[in-house]
Amino acid sequence: SSELTQDPAVSVALGQTVRITCQGDSLRRYYASWYQQKPGQAPILVIYGKNNRPSGIPDRFSGSSSGNTASLTITGAQAEDEADYYCNSRDSSGNHVVFGGGTKLTVL
Amino acid sequence: EVQLVESGGGLVKPGGSLRLSCAASGFTFSTYSMNWIRQAPGKGLEWVSSISSSYNYIYYADSVKGRFTISRDNAKNSVYLQMNSLRAEDTAVYYCAREVSGWELIYYYYMDVWGKGTTVTVSS
Repeated sequence: SSELTQDPAVSVALGQTVRITCQGDSLRRYYASWYQQKPGQAPILVIYGKNNRPSGIPDRFSGSSSGNTASLTITGAQAEDEADYYCNSRDSSGNHVVFGGGTKLTVL
Repeated sequence: EVQLVESGGGLVKPGGSLRLSCAASGFTFSTYSMNWIRQAPGKGLEWVSSISSSYNYIYYADSVKGRFTISRDNAKNSVYLQMNSLRAEDTAVYYCAREVSGWELIYYYYMDVWGKGTTVTVSS
């Protein structure tokens, strides 16, 4: 079982805003990072730290955190954003890496 | 170009062994911690193991502890995963990933570079 909890599936209408959440006690001590994975491809980093985007990630992707919950927000979702999204952080000890179970985003 | 390329995957019988390699290029490999992450068919990402830049911190997921060994050779810009006593549940795509860490009011860790993965199938 994962120490980070995500909703298994979320849907959003094209052009609308969607928030994907990740809960876990360790998120009070460590920021979550977020990864997008499309079928047959390796994950790519989309958000890290407080709210940072790697080069090449559109600014419609943003991150936030409050208490034990981290959120990934896509403002104006596009068809190409349809993918699985995973949050990632450390466990309570800080030594082990943990991933959330993943959220499948469908863009309608 | 910053790149990670995994190799060494294949079909192995239960109880067998396999050694995965990950070759890094385009960055100063010796300054980064490295991780192995796997993904079973149709499942989510599962962290397997990590090794610090200077070899002194090594951690394993409980599911592989005692069976898998991570190592690195900074002179060869490579990280390895020796997998012994393989089980059917170890069947997965195995990715290596570069880790970055730091502090921005609280700690952050993230994996900014991933390889394309190598497939391990454990079956009789």
